[in-house]
Amino acid sequence: QVQLQESGPGLVNPSETLSLTCAVSAGSINNYYWTWIRQPPGKGLEWIGYIYYSGSTIYNPSLKSRVTISVDTSQNQFSLKLSSVTAADTAVYYCARLAHPYNSGWFFDYWGQGTLVTVSS
Amino acid sequence: QSVLTQPPSVSAAPGQKVTISCSGSSSNIGNNYVSWYQQLPGTAPKLLIYDNNERPSGIPDRFSGSKSGTSATLGITGLQTGDEADYYCGTWDISLSAYVFGTGTNVTVL
Repeated sequence: QVQLQESGPGLVNPSETLSLTCAVSAGSINNYYWTWIRQPPGKGLEWIGYIYYSGSTIYNPSLKSRVTISVDTSQNQFSLKLSSVTAADTAVYYCARLAHPYNSGWFFDYWGQGTLVTVSS
Repeated sequence: QSVLTQPPSVSAAPGQKVTISCSGSSSNIGNNYVSWYQQLPGTAPKLLIYDNNERPSGIPDRFSGSKSGTSATLGITGLQTGDEADYYCGTWDISLSAYVFGTGTNVTVL
């Protein structure tokens, strides 16, 4: 059973860069898509973007100018950087595996437990 | 703001059935598979349904999914107190080039 674990600072100053890492265990990062999703307190889910193990990325247009997702296959992990953060970026950030089998749809089959990131000085 | 609309809440007595609708457009549900996620209080979402109506291993057949045109529906039969959670639909949106989630529906067991 694939397991994902987010890590990173729980508090970020406004205007700075939020950085999180997702470690993948009990499975290889190769040949899959990996994604970040966030959920502001008391609100719904928002997809941030995905990265293929080869390094190609697609970002949510609403966040594209501030987001960078990268992958380190040697460490079996991938990372998120979100720049110029404001209080509106306060949320629980989840990493997940994005499945897209042949002739099938897109869906998130494995999720991390999530990590709360608060933007405040 | 989500492009997929769900009712904010639904409720029913134990053992009864509820359905949750997810309304979209031709750029998302109309041309892509839909998945559904269950989020129990204080936990990460869990995949419930994928490809409109497929259940991952371990998901009971009390949960079912369907799609017609630009709308999708999640059904839960034999409602249990453990089903109290938020439920989200999701799919790829061709126009936005982004994955989109529904607004979410809270299920309450009376």
